[in-house]
Amino acid sequence: KAGVTQTPRYLIKTRGQQVTLSCSPISGHRSVSWYQQTPGQGLQFLFEYFSETQRNKGNFPGRFSGRQFSNSRSEMNVSTLELGDSALYLCASSLQGSPDTQYFGPGTRLTVL
Amino acid sequence: AQSVSQHNHHVILSEAASLELGCNYSYGGTVNLFWYVQYPGQHLQLLLKYFSGDPLVKGIKGFEAEFIKSKFSFNLRKPSVQWSDTAEYFCAVNGGNDYKLSFGAGTTVTVRA
Repeated sequence: KAGVTQTPRYLIKTRGQQVTLSCSPISGHRSVSWYQQTPGQGLQFLFEYFSETQRNKGNFPGRFSGRQFSNSRSEMNVSTLELGDSALYLCASSLQGSPDTQYFGPGTRLTVL
Repeated sequence: AQSVSQHNHHVILSEAASLELGCNYSYGGTVNLFWYVQYPGQHLQLLLKYFSGDPLVKGIKGFEAEFIKSKFSFNLRKPSVQWSDTAEYFCAVNGGNDYKLSFGAGTTVTVRA
């Protein structure tokens, strides 16, 4: 079974731009979660989607948004990028959502200049 | 709010030494506990998890963890490490039905041959 895939793997943007990251979950998984990983803050939860509904959201500004499609694929969007948004963005999928085991993708490395 | 603390930032060991990584959490209700590992250049992957039952859980690659409810702890152990155990280890907590994982800051383990 194919794992979680994320595109693109690397992205360079400038301040003020917006970015969209994509995540394709493992086939059959209906829950997709997003996390931000930085050296200073570690792994922080962004949001979780299940059957196109956001069930939980972390403490991030409204510039961070997401959605899930009917095929369970998910996108996250960051508008008006700031230097501090530079991070590895990880997507994880699971059958029904935590506490089911979450399977992580390789991440998208976003650099904001 | 949930919080997870990992006691050690960086641990350096020789092969065949024993490993114990500490993890304490703060959460008032029922929790599900996880240890994830990130090998160099690889995705985050699950080592082991505890939901209920026997507080001593065994995971992949010879790892085990013990849940001590009275101490709010979930420490990871391995009796004899190998060079291939060099990685970053993350403790994570899920509280009930909040559909998210809260991660500790991670512990980098370096095993010297």
